[in-house]
Amino acid sequence: AQSVTQLDSQVPVFEEAPVELRCNYSSSVSVYLFWYVQYPNQGLQLLLKYLSGSTLVKGINGFEAEFNKSQTSFHLRKPSVHISDTAEYFCAVGLLDGSEKLVFGKGTKLTVNP
Amino acid sequence: DAGITQSPRHKVTETGTPVTLRCHQTENHRYMYWYRQDPGHGLRLIHYSYGVKDTDKGEVSDGYSVSRSKTEDFLLTLESATSSQTSVYFCAISGRDRGNYGYTFGSGTRLTVV
Repeated sequence: AQSVTQLDSQVPVFEEAPVELRCNYSSSVSVYLFWYVQYPNQGLQLLLKYLSGSTLVKGINGFEAEFNKSQTSFHLRKPSVHISDTAEYFCAVGLLDGSEKLVFGKGTKLTVNP
Repeated sequence: DAGITQSPRHKVTETGTPVTLRCHQTENHRYMYWYRQDPGHGLRLIHYSYGVKDTDKGEVSDGYSVSRSKTEDFLLTLESATSSQTSVYFCAISGRDRGNYGYTFGSGTRLTVV
């Protein structure tokens, strides 16, 4: 069975500092990988996705993620965060079994302090 | 997102009563999903649908049923609500049938069972 582990439940950082949110997955088959962001009292919004090709994926709001197949990781990074990046971030694995189901991690709450 | 709406946005109900949540899409996608979000658990799949009258169970389906009689509507029913079903419920659609991998989420329904 597929699973997703987000290694940090909470990450506090100061404004303009770099940040990395870590995500590891396990799967016996090929997968797609996603990062979603959830602002308070809102639904989830797609940040970026890896389907195939270049392992470095760029998304919205200056975020990027790198797929590492040997380490089964898909860490999210941003070189300089803003107060407005305060949100919860979810890593997800897409199953290539015809169901198009996504398995989500438990989330990482990013808090950007002034 | 304009292409998917959930109703109601908030609901308080009593233990033992049936409750139906509605998800409506205007994108004509085949795949639709119901997730619940709870602190510390991330998002967990309840049921999903891959077409009209074609549904299947997710990892936390006990106590829930679904119906999809039209492409645009996916209904989630709590047959006899319990306090453990107090949660935020999200509906999602997948653009996979048009080569657009990943989900678009509704804004969620906050359900409180008292």
